[in-house]
Amino acid sequence: SQQGEEDPQALSIQEGENATMNCSYKTSINNLQWYRQNSGRGLVHLILIRSNEREKHSGRLRVTLDTSKKSSSLLITASRAADTASYFCATSGGGADGLTFGKGTHLIIQP
Amino acid sequence: NAGVTQTPKFQVLKTGQSMTLQCAQDMNHNSMYWYRQDPGMGLRLIYYSASEGTTDKGEVPNGYNVSRLNKREFSLRLESAAPSQTSVYFCASRPTRGRQSNEQFFGPGTRLTVL
Repeated sequence: SQQGEEDPQALSIQEGENATMNCSYKTSINNLQWYRQNSGRGLVHLILIRSNEREKHSGRLRVTLDTSKKSSSLLITASRAADTASYFCATSGGGADGLTFGKGTHLIIQP
Repeated sequence: NAGVTQTPKFQVLKTGQSMTLQCAQDMNHNSMYWYRQDPGMGLRLIYYSASEGTTDKGEVPNGYNVSRLNKREFSLRLESAAPSQTSVYFCASRPTRGRQSNEQFFGPGTRLTVL
């Protein structure tokens, strides 16, 4: 079963606006990661936050993690048309076993 | 470096046919993974190989077999394809040491249709 649930399922905003996506998960984790998938392509890693971290930044990305609520959010600031993609959160128990993905948020940036 | 490569890119099978999806990585990663992605869904883990010589079942292993041929290559076999296996299949690899040791690197995917 899917570990995470992203919210919203789809999001359409104007270029230059900020986009916020949320992710909830069910079990304890070692880390949570966000990936981007452009249409018809493989996934690309964006950012990782560990279970003992609350916030992390990378360029225009800001991710938060609340382990008490089992939730995370991804903020993309000053959105660009090239940010149009699907965004997935994925949780890891920290071992070599695979990631557990949510269903994704489809983000459309209107020019 | 090519990263993670997958062949074929597209495949159409008839119910009951067999095929092998190939995956190779040139990043000297220890762990490799096979996922499937169905419309409107995230990826689900089929099988993984934590290191050369080992394989383990993931969330949805039924109907599939895998072989970790060597450190570079990890193949996925469908012995008797079923329409329910129509999906996009992604291979991924992961280093187990270093700064990127939790990040997975994905191939471009194989789009499989079973009629």
